[in-house]
Amino acid sequence: EDQVTQSPEALRLQEGESSSLNCSYTVSGLRGLFWYRQDPGKGPEFLFTLYSAGEEKEKERLKATLTKKESFLHITAPKPEDSATYLCAVLRQVNTGFQKLVFGTGTRLLVSP
Amino acid sequence: GAVVSQHPSWVICKSGTSVKIECRSLDFQATTMFWYRQFPKQSLMLMATSNEGSKATYEQGVEKDKFLINHASLTLSTLTVTSAHPEDSSFYICSARRDSITKTQYFGPGTRLLVL
Repeated sequence: EDQVTQSPEALRLQEGESSSLNCSYTVSGLRGLFWYRQDPGKGPEFLFTLYSAGEEKEKERLKATLTKKESFLHITAPKPEDSATYLCAVLRQVNTGFQKLVFGTGTRLLVSP
Repeated sequence: GAVVSQHPSWVICKSGTSVKIECRSLDFQATTMFWYRQFPKQSLMLMATSNEGSKATYEQGVEKDKFLINHASLTLSTLTVTSAHPEDSSFYICSARRDSITKTQYFGPGTRLLVL
C-alpha cells in the first residue's frame, strides 16, 4: 500500500536554529516528489519538485533532497515567517494516462524569535 | 506565475441545500484540475480528478452524485455539493496542473464550507 510518512509531526525551533524535516515513502510507480508549504486556512503553496535520487533543489533558506526512499527539507537559519505546515506529496502512476498525488500528514513548524 | 483562485472563500448553508464552488486558473490553461478535501489537522485527500471536456474521475468512496464536478473550460472547474449535510462541512481545495511535463499542481486558497 502506498504510504507517505512525515516526521516529526511538529517541530519548534528558535530563530536561526537549522534543522531538517523528513518524508519517507513507499510508492509504486513514483513519478515525482513535491514539497508544499501550507499556512493555516490557506491552500498549499508549491515549493519544490524532485524527480530522481540525488537531486537537490534550493530556494532561499530551504533545500530539498531526494533518495530512493526518502526526502529531506533542510531549513537553514529559519525565521519566524517560515512557520507553517510543510507537506510532502508523491506523484504515482495509477494507470496509463492517470497520475495522482499522495500527501503525507505534514510537519507543523513553529519558529520562535 | 501560476495563480489559482477559488470562490467563495467560505460559505455557510442550511442542511439540504446545494453549494457550488468555483476554481479558476488565472494565468494558465489547465487541462486537468483536482479537488481535495481537508479535515482539521489532517492532510489533503483527493476527491476527484477533473479533465476539461470529459467526465471527472472520482476516488473510491466519493459519491459522484453528491459531489458534482464540471470542467467546462481550460480555466474553470466547479464542484457542487448537492443536498449538503453537516458531515460535508470541511475545507475544500482545488488545484490545477499547468503542464503535463513537470506535473506540478498549483493550489487555490481553499473554500471553507459549514453546513448547519
